[in-house]
Amino acid sequence: DVKVTQSSRYLVKRTGEKVFLECVQDMDHENMFWYRQDPGLGLRLIYFSYDVKMKEKGDIPEGYSVSREKKERFSLILESASTNQTSMYLCASSGRTVQNYGYTFGSGTRLTVV
Amino acid sequence: SQQGEEDPQALSIQEGENATMNCSYKTSINNLQWYRQNSGRGLVHLILIRSNEREKHSGRLRVTLDTSKKSSSLLITASRAADTASYFCATVVRIFVMRFGAGTRLTVKP
Repeated sequence: DVKVTQSSRYLVKRTGEKVFLECVQDMDHENMFWYRQDPGLGLRLIYFSYDVKMKEKGDIPEGYSVSREKKERFSLILESASTNQTSMYLCASSGRTVQNYGYTFGSGTRLTVV
Repeated sequence: SQQGEEDPQALSIQEGENATMNCSYKTSINNLQWYRQNSGRGLVHLILIRSNEREKHSGRLRVTLDTSKKSSSLLITASRAADTASYFCATVVRIFVMRFGAGTRLTVKP
């Protein structure tokens, strides 16, 4: 069964900590994405990557960075966590033909920054 | 701004009833997709309808698309308690990238 795996379901971090959220896919997909989901705001795109070492900013990149050193792995980094980054983080992947097949999502990481 | 906006924000029905959710979007599209999210989990792709299609069926799901009105609807027939979830529409806004609406929260009471 193909899947996107996010390393943690729940995380609690302190303000100012550097936080790494990991995402791995086993579908040989070229594209990977990080969204955050907040009540009433839906899903907002943080960053995406269309190839190894390639990245592009989404709608809300401030306070985040990403790394894609291998095709299967896409990491989201919070350089200095703040309480307004408390959210559900969703990783997704797609092949080149996103128009035909859409995204495959991970189960999400619920991050709480205290 | 949201590319896809679902309506209503929340819907509560009895088991066996039909549930209809609507989605409006702003720009031209190649296709529109619907996703489902169980509480606290990731989204799951349900169905895709292309811009040249007007209606599509998959099991108890029926999706319609009206490109002239920039709107789509998702109908779930004979709903079950297990259909309780949030439903999102999504459109491709630029190459590789999809934008999602805020979703409709469906509650099906047994």
